[in-house]
Amino acid sequence: RKEVEQDPGPFNVPEGATVAFNCTYSNSASQSFFWYRQDCRKEPKLLMSVYSSGNEDGRFTAQLNRASQYISLLIRDSKLSDSATYLCVVIPASGGSYIPTFGRGTSLIVHP
Amino acid sequence: DGGITQSPKYLFRKEGQNVTLSCEQNLNHDAMYWYRQDPGQGLRLIYYSQIVNDFQKGDIAEGYSVSREKKESFPLTVTSAQKNPTAFYLCASSIQRVTTSTDTQYFGPGTRLTVL
Repeated sequence: RKEVEQDPGPFNVPEGATVAFNCTYSNSASQSFFWYRQDCRKEPKLLMSVYSSGNEDGRFTAQLNRASQYISLLIRDSKLSDSATYLCVVIPASGGSYIPTFGRGTSLIVHP
Repeated sequence: DGGITQSPKYLFRKEGQNVTLSCEQNLNHDAMYWYRQDPGQGLRLIYYSQIVNDFQKGDIAEGYSVSREKKESFPLTVTSAQKNPTAFYLCASSIQRVTTSTDTQYFGPGTRLTVL
């Protein structure tokens, strides 16, 4: 089983739709979780951290389910500009060194 | 402006040649990383450095080498021993040494290497 798994998609949704992605992780001792956004042929950029209590930033909501070992990203009122690949990042606890592990990403296409 | 720069943006090399990719940051970050990304794939860690004059192998270090002589610079050499070097190479940095799980990474714009 891969350490971090994401459905590659693409998720094809109309403007204004609500869309959700999940990301599962295998290391139960994982400490921190993030969502990054990556546009085509560009570098990843931090979208938001994921806190145990869940957190919201405008139209974006991130949640963590430690019992089932997954994190989720919900995007409400999708915009054309939301089209991108969304990378899930998990930081496992390993001997005092915290190296992030990236998922392969979920592709989102928002159409008019 | 503070940030991470990588050069060049596109690089073409003949098979069998070594090539060095540049990564510079003026964020005063301690930790720096090199990743490789292939189409449809996630980022795979090549090397990372937590402090000057020290670096560690990542998951796919074979065929690559790095140096960290200055805090601001972490160049990556793709050697002829790397069997499939064509890829998108991303450099990243984070504030602290890799001892905190809450630290986030910031990425440079990347270098697309094509080996002909």
